[in-house]
This record gives sequence, structure tokens and C-alpha cells, in this order.
Amino acid sequence: GESVGLHLPTLSVQEGDNSIINCAYSNSASDYFIWYKQESGKGPQFIIDIRSNMDKRQGQRVTVLLNKTVKHLSLQIAATQPGDSAVYFCAETVGGSQGNLIFGKGTKLSVKP
Amino acid sequence: DADVTQTPRNRITKTGKRIMLECSQTKGHDRMYWYRQDPGLGLRLIYYSFDVKDINKGEISDGYSVSRQAQAKFSLSLESAIPNQTALYFCATSGEQGVGETQYFGPGTRLLVL
Repeated sequence: GESVGLHLPTLSVQEGDNSIINCAYSNSASDYFIWYKQESGKGPQFIIDIRSNMDKRQGQRVTVLLNKTVKHLSLQIAATQPGDSAVYFCAETVGGSQGNLIFGKGTKLSVKP
Repeated sequence: DADVTQTPRNRITKTGKRIMLECSQTKGHDRMYWYRQDPGLGLRLIYYSFDVKDINKGEISDGYSVSRQAQAKFSLSLESAIPNQTALYFCATSGEQGVGETQYFGPGTRLLVL
């Protein structure tokens, strides 16, 4: 069946280090993926997205990598800061342009000063 | 001002009561969504609407109903609340041209059903 999941439920990193958050998906028909950041007491916030015709996309301090062969998605955060502490969700679209996202369960990132 | 607002932000109700959660958006998006979030379960889609005349069930629509009063407003109702509907509820919108299916979320409504 379709599923979006995460390898690690929690991740603790030292301030200044790079963080890598992983996500696995099972539906090879998914063609659009998004990473969201959710801080305590707030709604999810869009970070970066990638379409299935790409394998890498970079933003400001963040990079998303997509490996369609193994159905794996990762979010890399460079020079992690205390403000990056949050829960990170990956999401995929099932059904193309209908906007019906399937979310993973989330990874909690804790940044140690 | 926030682009997606939800009211109330917190609500305590009793089993069997009918309650309504409201969502408004100023982003001009056609698509709106309601999700619930439970610890360890991530976000699950309850209902979604692609325009004023369109309503679709999501993964967990049982026990819920929705109304799309206008492009900017999408409300979620619990006809007879039960304790396992205690959760954090999020409204979201999408439809911004050129950014795919990115959804923009409201701040959430925390609901406690006693």
C-alpha cells in the first residue's frame, strides 16, 4: 500500500553541524514531494519541494534529495541552528495534481547549543 | 496578518455536543483542507474542497462534516463529539500557481472532548 514514513523518529545534533532527515515512500506513482517544518504550537510550514523529474533541489541552507530507485527522500540542513529545532514531515502527492498529500509521521530535530 | 486563520484556537467540549471549527484564508486559493494531528500519527486528511461546489472525503471523514461557505471559508463540524476526536486540527489551503501542490497551514485548533 501507499505509505510515507521516516527512518528516525528523533534526531539530536550539535549546533553548527549538518542534519540529515530521511523519509521513505512506497508509491512509485508519487510525483511531488514536500518537506514541512512544524514548531511547537504552530502549523506546518513549507520548507522545500521537489518533483519526481529531479533528484536534487537546493534552498537556503536546505537541500532535498530524491532517490526514485529506492524510493527515498532526504532533507539536509546545513549549519544547523537552534531555530531549526522542530518536527519535520515529508509528504507526497498521490494522484498527481489533486493536491491530496500523504504525510509521514515526522522526525523531531533537537539542536544542542 | 496571517493568511490562514482558524477559530477557535482552543476548545473544550463534552461528549455528544456539536461543535464547529472555522477556517478563513486571504490567499485567494481555491483548495482548502482539514487535517487532524495526533501524537505519533502525523497529519491525516479529513475532508478537502477544490472549489465552493466541491467537497471530498479524506482518509478519516467518519464523524465529521464540512461546509464550504465561500472561496475563503471552510468549516469543519463534529455532529456529536466523542473523546477520541480529541486532537489538534489544522486547516490548509493550496492553489498558488507555479508552486505545485504546496499547502499552507493555519495555526491549528486544539480540541479536547471530555
